[in-house]
Amino acid sequence: DAEITQSPRHKITETGRQVTLACHQTWNHNNMFWYRQDLGHGLRLIHYSYGVQDTNKGEVSDGYSVSRSNTEDLPLTLESAASSQTSVYFCASSDGQAKFFGPGTRLTVL
Amino acid sequence: AQKITQTQPGMFVQEKEAVTLDCTYDTSDPSYGLFWYKQPSSGEMIFLIYQGSYDQQNATEGRYSLNFQKARKSANLVISASQLGDSAMYFCAMNWAGSYQLTFGKGTKLSVIP
Repeated sequence: DAEITQSPRHKITETGRQVTLACHQTWNHNNMFWYRQDLGHGLRLIHYSYGVQDTNKGEVSDGYSVSRSNTEDLPLTLESAASSQTSVYFCASSDGQAKFFGPGTRLTVL
Repeated sequence: AQKITQTQPGMFVQEKEAVTLDCTYDTSDPSYGLFWYKQPSSGEMIFLIYQGSYDQQNATEGRYSLNFQKARKSANLVISASQLGDSAMYFCAMNWAGSYQLTFGKGTKLSVIP
């Protein structure tokens, strides 16, 4: 069965370190997204991609970057982790209106 | 800019009763999609139901139905015959023509009482 996976599921890091969160989907979807979820804010869009080599900034993109070298993967990089980036991160993929979310990564920045 | 509002931070419903979760949206785009997701305590986001702005009929999926009132810009989720497993956070979201990314509301926490 097709799926969308994220790794790691939990991570603790220190302020200033570079962190990369992986997202891999086997739906063969062109569209992929990264959201963060914080109490009181719901889910907010960080970056998104509509295909290979395409990346776009979302609502809360400062301090984050993505790259899309193939259809299956959209890694999210925190260039220099900050405590404000402690959150749960969700990757999603879609093709038209069908949208599927990964299980989430809980990131703690100390 | 698109905006989603869920005015009920938390709700309680008796098991086997129906419950309505409110969602209003603001957009000037005539073409858009409305979604509802369930997030149980385990954390995953589960797609429940979708309504397109041009759909004539209200969407239904099993015990879930979407009460779509376009003129009032509301897209309320109705859950019939609530079950204990329905206890979760529920998020309303939308996208608009030409885009696939979602804008989410802040969610409603539903608690089903035995």
